Amino acid sequence: QKEVEQDPGPLSVPEGAIVSLNCTYSNSAFQYFMWYRQYSRKGPELLMYTYSSGNKEDGRFTAQVDKSSKYISLFIRDSQPSDSATYLCAMLTSGTYKYIFGTGTRLKVLA
Amino acid sequence: EAGVTQFPSHSVIEKGQTVTLRCDPISGHDNLYWYRRVMGKEIKFLLHFVKESKQDESGMPNNRFLAERTGGTYSTLKVQPAELEDSGVYFCASSQDLGLSEQYFGPGTRLTVT
Repeated sequence: QKEVEQDPGPLSVPEGAIVSLNCTYSNSAFQYFMWYRQYSRKGPELLMYTYSSGNKEDGRFTAQVDKSSKYISLFIRDSQPSDSATYLCAMLTSGTYKYIFGTGTRLKVLA
Repeated sequence: EAGVTQFPSHSVIEKGQTVTLRCDPISGHDNLYWYRRVMGKEIKFLLHFVKESKQDESGMPNNRFLAERTGGTYSTLKVQPAELEDSGVYFCASSQDLGLSEQYFGPGTRLTVT
């Protein structure tokens, strides 16, 4: 069983929709949770990170962590065509620097 | 500030040949990481340097892979001899501090072994 599961998509939504992206994990030692965005032929870039259960908001993006369910989400409000990319969740255990990634979800926002 | 750069962007080699990938981290970043994404799979950790020292090489697949970071600046990842299953995208990342510190990724080198 993979440590991190993520639906690869693709996910197509109309412009302006609310997007929900999710990851589940099996390792209860994960303490840090990141969301990366990757455009085609580019490297991943960090969108948000959090280390506690609950919500964290940054503009149109909200990251949610539920440690009891081992489930994390990224919500994108008022989605734009420029949000079309692959979204990767990544996790870390305390004291290590070895990111464990999900496979990524490919998102397409249609104008 | 220049980001993480990687060279080449794409390499096509035959099975049995040798390839060397290069990564230039962000200036001043002591931590350098190599990751690999094989088609259809997740990005996986290969190894971590702190300056010129290998801190963690638990993700290196086998002894055909050799990573170096002489002088604690740029790093190279050599694959010798290359096998078909080595095809994928190799990412380099760097970070400034130990602890939870954002890892900045390069654009990757796409390696195709035929």
